[in-house]
Amino acid sequence: TQLLEQSPQFLSIQEGENLTVYCNSSSVFSSLQWYRQEPGEGPVLLVTVVTGGEVKKLKRLTFQFGDARKDSSLHITAAQPGDTGLYLCAGEPYNQGGKLIFGQGTELSVKP
Amino acid sequence: DTAVSQTPKYLVTQMGNDKSIKCEQNLGHDTMYWYKQDSKKFLKIMFSYNNKELIINETVPNRFSPKSPDKAHLNLHINSLELGDSAVYFCASSQARLAGLETQYFGPGTRLLVL
Repeated sequence: TQLLEQSPQFLSIQEGENLTVYCNSSSVFSSLQWYRQEPGEGPVLLVTVVTGGEVKKLKRLTFQFGDARKDSSLHITAAQPGDTGLYLCAGEPYNQGGKLIFGQGTELSVKP
Repeated sequence: DTAVSQTPKYLVTQMGNDKSIKCEQNLGHDTMYWYKQDSKKFLKIMFSYNNKELIINETVPNRFSPKSPDKAHLNLHINSLELGDSAVYFCASSQARLAGLETQYFGPGTRLLVL
């Protein structure tokens, strides 16, 4: 059974601070996605990474896929209250195309 | 225009009842999904349909029966509801069945509470 472990589970920081969320597994994934979910809504895709070592930037958010395609990280620079939400990583297992395995999520709270 | 819509948004019911949740997407996508998000926010896939054909069925009790009358609709019927079925159920869709390379668009969720 493929598992994606996210850490930390909860994160409360002040506006302007930097943070990193980790998504780790012992399994290889064909691709990995990061989603953000706000209260009362469904998850919204932020980014997809496919190649080992790939780095993608989305404004103040930097996403990295591990060289072995078993882990990923999300780094937020100068966090803002609008970044508050649940961040989910999701991977497509290497030998099980067509479905996503989700991590447990990281609940981020950015206080003004 | 809502891309993926679900009804109802809230569902409170008694144990043992049968209930249905409906999902519609107006994106012209071929693939639709049902996910369950538990109280700890863990999101797990239940079913996936591609062009009305079931392609993923993740060890879900057979009390749960999905039905896809056409490509734009995927409904979920639950028989003999149990307390453990309480969760938020999300419908999603994507253009094709390569889940990890496609953008999945999620509905707003149906909050089911079984008493």
